[in-house]
Amino acid sequence: EPEVTQTPSHQVTQMGQEVILRCVPISNHLYFYWYRQILGQKVEFLVSFYNNEISEKSEIFDDQFSVERPDGSNFTLKIRSTKLEDSAMYFCASSETSDTQYFGPGTRLTVL
Amino acid sequence: AQSVTQPDIHITVSEGASLELRCNYSYGATPYLFWYVQSPGQGLQLLLKYFSGDTLVQGIKGFEAEFKRSQSSFNLRKPSVHWSDAAEYFCAVGAQDTGKLIFGQGTTLQVKP
Repeated sequence: EPEVTQTPSHQVTQMGQEVILRCVPISNHLYFYWYRQILGQKVEFLVSFYNNEISEKSEIFDDQFSVERPDGSNFTLKIRSTKLEDSAMYFCASSETSDTQYFGPGTRLTVL
Repeated sequence: AQSVTQPDIHITVSEGASLELRCNYSYGATPYLFWYVQSPGQGLQLLLKYFSGDTLVQGIKGFEAEFKRSQSSFNLRKPSVHWSDAAEYFCAVGAQDTGKLIFGQGTTLQVKP
């Protein structure tokens, strides 16, 4: 069964450094999403992406964040200058239409 | 404002007992509703979903959920819990246009032998 994959599973970085989180969505899916879950808190929507552009973003998704689909398979989330409060589990999701999303296993980001 | 409330942070049930996890939502239009499960170290796995039609929906692993518009609820049930059901369960409401999901806080299920 096809699934969403994410790399790395755990990323440790220093405050102020740039990080890129990578996702490979399910191959025939057209809608892509990033969510995050700070430890002990809700899963929060960050951004949705369709037809090579952002379709919706949350207040969390400020100028420090960007997304890209650099080729036909990868979907990336970049944080330009990480802060301590960016430490969280980041989930990628994809869907064939905009209704049912399938999630990857997540990347745990630790900012020191 | 759109929101999802899961009133129970932590629930413990005995193996073989029935289970009901509560979910209430606030959403302006007809919602898409979902239950996801997260086992330790795993991603979010879709258990079931409701878009329209029959208000009782069946999902994987023997779970079902009932949509009650009058109560703005979408409670998850299972007649007999197995030890492998121990996990965190998330209810979510989805926007029909963009697909953005709004999640509840989650309910941690512990299963006693």
